[in-house]
Parts: sequence; structure tokens; C-alpha cells
Amino acid sequence: DIVMTQSPDSLAVSLGERATINCKSSQSVLYNSNNKNYLAWYQQKPGQPPKLLIYWASTRESGVPDRFSGSGSGTDFTLTISSLQAEDVAVYYCQQYYSTPPGFGQGTKLEIK
Amino acid sequence: EVQLVESGGGLVQPGGSLRLSCAASGFTFSGYAMSWVRQAPGKGLEWVSYISSSSSTIHYADSMRGRFTISRDNAKNSLYLQMNSLRAEDTAVYYCARGTYCSGGTCLLDYWGQGTLVTVSS
Repeated sequence: DIVMTQSPDSLAVSLGERATINCKSSQSVLYNSNNKNYLAWYQQKPGQPPKLLIYWASTRESGVPDRFSGSGSGTDFTLTISSLQAEDVAVYYCQQYYSTPPGFGQGTKLEIK
Repeated sequence: EVQLVESGGGLVQPGGSLRLSCAASGFTFSGYAMSWVRQAPGKGLEWVSYISSSSSTIHYADSMRGRFTISRDNAKNSLYLQMNSLRAEDTAVYYCARGTYCSGGTCLLDYWGQGTLVTVSS
């Protein structure tokens, strides 16, 4: 099974500042035949289901603000929020959809400093 | 608008059974794989099970295999999860989610329901 590990577990950032969350997979999630990384990021606000933010490691889902960006390849990935807004307070999860079982990271709780 | 609405959760005693349902609308249900994902109180996300669009391929997480059964009825636009031999550690919110860009039983989960709470306690 591919194990997903996020860092840090929690993060406090001032409004308007940059927030960076890391995700590392125990095996590469890059599919060589199509050169795509099978890595997604989800945002979960309190009392709500997860919401898809980013897929293929760097493609923003429709409607997601452009302050959210994803990067990385192979085993190391990053979610960046360029200018933190109050509504971005949430727990963020990475997920690999390269192989079964589809593993999630443990989550990173993002708060306002 | 894609909608997924779970139902069937509740309080059940250890060793008991429960059947969850997920009603889908706003998309061609028969064209998509579906998954169940759960979240224990205050914890992270845990994938439970996957079913392909035609029900030809099914996968389970190791801890649920043999106790849980996923199924779907494309004519009724519905997904199900039959849960038997329930344990306290199965207490969680159970989400159904639509799968896309699937690869061998694993999918990107692009839409999620609001979830239904299952509590296993005596």
C-alpha cells in the first residue's frame, strides 16, 4: 500500500501570508505512460464533507480560487495558498489515486495566526 | 447539479448490522464508479470501498473485507453499503463519493455527499 504523509500536522499563518503544506508518498504516483501524477488535494471545513481542490497534482478544480496551487512530482508534493483568506481555515488532505487502496494523508489543520 | 445524499446511519450495538444508502442525482449515475469513505470523530479520512460503474469490479479496505458489502442499483441511481459485525471502531461519518479518472479500482473523488453518522455502541 502507498502511505501518504503530510507535514506539518498543523499550521498557523497570518491573513494575507503564504501557507505551504507538504505531502510525501511512500512510492511514486507518477504514471509514466501519460506523465501524470495521481495526486489530489481536498479541503474540509468543519461540519462539511471534503471538497476537491487540486488533481493531477497541479490542476485546479473548476471554481477553486487561483490563490490555491499544487506542485511536485513523483513522491513529493506541495499545496500552496498564496495569500491566506479567513475562509481558507480548514483541514487539508492529500490523496493518491494511483493504486488501490487509495490512501489519504493524515491531514493538515490550517488556522489563522 | 451533482447531488449525493446518504441515509441509513444511526446507533447500532456491537455485532449488529446497518445498511447505508446514497441517492445520486444530477449526473449519469451508471457512467461513474463510486466509493465509500469514512471519518471517525475528530480523525482523518479512510477509504472504505469501491465499485465500478457496472459493478464488475469491487474493492474493500482490508479491515472491512468480509464484513462490508458494497452494491449499486443503476436503475435507481443508488449506492449501498451493507455493514455487518459492526465494531466500536466502525463509528464514523460515512461519505459516498463519485469517482472519476479511475485507475484499477482507485479514483479521484470529485463529488462527496454530506455523510451519515454511524455510531456503534452498547
